[in-house]
Amino acid sequence: DAKTTQPPSMDCAEGRAANLPCNHSTISGNEYVYWYRQIHSQGPQYIIHGLKNNETNEMASLIITEDRKSSTLILPHATLRDTAVYYCIVHSRDDKIIFGKGTRLHILP
Amino acid sequence: DADVTQTPRNRITKTGKRIMLECSQTKGHDRMYWYRQDPGLGLRLIYYSFDVKDINKGEISDGYSVSRQAQAKFSLSLESAIPNQTALYFCATSEPGAGANVLTFGAGSRLTVL
Repeated sequence: DAKTTQPPSMDCAEGRAANLPCNHSTISGNEYVYWYRQIHSQGPQYIIHGLKNNETNEMASLIITEDRKSSTLILPHATLRDTAVYYCIVHSRDDKIIFGKGTRLHILP
Repeated sequence: DADVTQTPRNRITKTGKRIMLECSQTKGHDRMYWYRQDPGLGLRLIYYSFDVKDINKGEISDGYSVSRQAQAKFSLSLESAIPNQTALYFCATSEPGAGANVLTFGAGSRLTVL
C-alpha cells in the first residue's frame, strides 16, 4: 500500500502558486519524500526530493514539516503546462517504490 | 534518443497470445522496474531488478514474468495475455545515490488485449 495520502484533485489559477499537500505520517528515518508528475499519459517525470530540509530546484520547492509527517510541493507560478497528476511517494534507498493515485492538478486560465 | 526506450509503443493482441514488452536504457543504471497503469489509477509495481542477477516481485506480479538480459535491458512478458491486462506499461530505471533513489521513466507501452 502507498505510504502517502494526497487529495484526489485540486484547482489553481494560472500565475498563482500551486501548493500540493501530502501526508506521510508513518515515514521512517531513512525514507525520503519524492515528487513526480505525469502529464496526460506520458511517463512520470521526477520533480524533487528531500529528507528533512526544505529543497528548491528550477521546477519547484519542497517544504517538509519538522516532524516529517507531511510535506508540500510548491509550484511558484503555475502555468497551463503544469496541469498533471502529481505523485508524492516515500521510500528508502532499497525499498520497493510504490505509487498512490496522486493529485490531479487543474490549472485554470 | 531517449534515455529509457520502450518497445513497442502500442500493441493490440488477442487473448491467449504471448507478448513481450522490451525496455532498454542508456543511462548506465543498475536498477530497472516495470509498472502498470490502468485508466484513472496510479502506477502499480509489477517487477523490479537491482542488478543483472536480481529479480523481485512487486505488487501485482501474477500473470507476468521478466528477464534481465543485461544491465541495459529488462523485458516484461505476458505468457498468455488476458483482457484485464489491457493497460499502459512503464519501464523505469534508477541509480541510487547516497540515500536517495530517483526514477527515470520511459514513454510507456500501451497494450490492448482483445
